[in-house]
Amino acid sequence: DGGITQSPKYLFRKEGQNVTLSCEQNLNHDAMYWYRQDPGQGLRLIYYSQIVNDFQKGDIAEGYSVSREKKESFPLTVTSAQKNPTAFYLCASLGPTGLYGYTFGSGTRLTVV
Amino acid sequence: GEDVEQSLFLSVREGDSSVINCTYTDSSSTYLYWYKQEPGAGLQLLTYIFSNMDMKQDQRLTVLLNKKDKHLSLRIADTQTGDSAIYFCAESIWSSTGFQKLVFGTGTRLLVSP
Repeated sequence: DGGITQSPKYLFRKEGQNVTLSCEQNLNHDAMYWYRQDPGQGLRLIYYSQIVNDFQKGDIAEGYSVSREKKESFPLTVTSAQKNPTAFYLCASLGPTGLYGYTFGSGTRLTVV
Repeated sequence: GEDVEQSLFLSVREGDSSVINCTYTDSSSTYLYWYKQEPGAGLQLLTYIFSNMDMKQDQRLTVLLNKKDKHLSLRIADTQTGDSAIYFCAESIWSSTGFQKLVFGTGTRLLVSP
């Protein structure tokens, strides 16, 4: 079955540490997205990529970085510059017509310890 | 601007109908979506409506779109306890470079009591 796989499901980060969240899709979608979800704030766009080797900042990109070396993969790194990283992170992809909206992964919950 | 608004909470009894409301800002949105999120999970697409439609029905779900008021609603008939979740409204936004993104509301938490 086609879909998006995010790993790990739970991640704990120490102060000053960089961590990388994995997102892999086998849907053959060009466009991929990273969102952050905080209680009562909905989803906020961190980064997006329309095609391999290209990505753009979203609304809250500070303290995050991404890469898109392969169509299937869009990892997100939460750097030590992100002062409040505890949140639920969601990866999504979008098919060429946009008709069916995003397909989401199951999310990664990141906690600072 | 991009802003999608929803009420935060709705409580209904099992068997009743639930109506979740949403207002959006971009009149050029092509598609509007409703997503469901269960605890600790990603978002699951429930239904969508094309901007030239007024209504769409899919089993227990009815979507109504009022383009003049930029108002979207989701009605769930015969609501069950398994419908308890957070429901997100989203509008599609196209940039001048052909990039499409979805802008989400804050989500409405639906609680269904027996």
